[in-house]
Amino acid sequence: KQEVTQIPAALSVPEGENLVLNCSFTDSAIYNLQWFRQDPGKGLTSLLLIQSSQREQTSGRLNASLDKSSGRSTLYIAASQPGDSATYLCAVGEDTGFQKLVFGTGTRLLVSP
Amino acid sequence: DVKVTQSSRYLVKRTGEKVFLECVQDMDHENMFWYRQDPGLGLRLIYFSYDVKMKEKGDIPEGYSVSREKKERFSLILESASTNQTSMYLCASSLRLDNAAFFGQGTRLTVV
Repeated sequence: KQEVTQIPAALSVPEGENLVLNCSFTDSAIYNLQWFRQDPGKGLTSLLLIQSSQREQTSGRLNASLDKSSGRSTLYIAASQPGDSATYLCAVGEDTGFQKLVFGTGTRLLVSP
Repeated sequence: DVKVTQSSRYLVKRTGEKVFLECVQDMDHENMFWYRQDPGLGLRLIYFSYDVKMKEKGDIPEGYSVSREKKERFSLILESASTNQTSMYLCASSLRLDNAAFFGQGTRLTVV
């Protein structure tokens, strides 16, 4: 059974720092990995999608990498801002015949001014 | 922009009531999903649909049913609400299996 782990569970940094969020998964038979952002009490916002054949994806200050063989992904946030404060979730797409996403429990990020 | 809309942000229902949660997407997506999110347990898949009138059970389907009569609308039904179904419910959709999933804003359901 696929298990997705995110470390750390919480992170507090001052504004302007570059930071890395980690996601690991136990079964490398995935077809994609997606990073989401969730603000308190809200739904999920899709940030980046990496297909299993890709190594990384970039969007603005965000860069996500994928090492399928080692079961790891990282989300790099450059020059963090207070508006980046949220919970970040990674989810792996399993190849079960339909798109089943298995989620980690998230990293809660606080960026202080 | 992709849009997934859930009919209610907050709902309070009584134990034993039949509850309908509605979700509409405007992107002509094939796949639609219902998840629930609980502290410490993360998001868990309840049901998913890959076409009109087609559905598959997820990891925790007990106590729930779904309906997809039109491509854009996917409903989650709690046949007889119980207090352990108090949770945040999230609807999502995607075009194909290898495409990004897009989520609605969530419905916070409280069963009293």
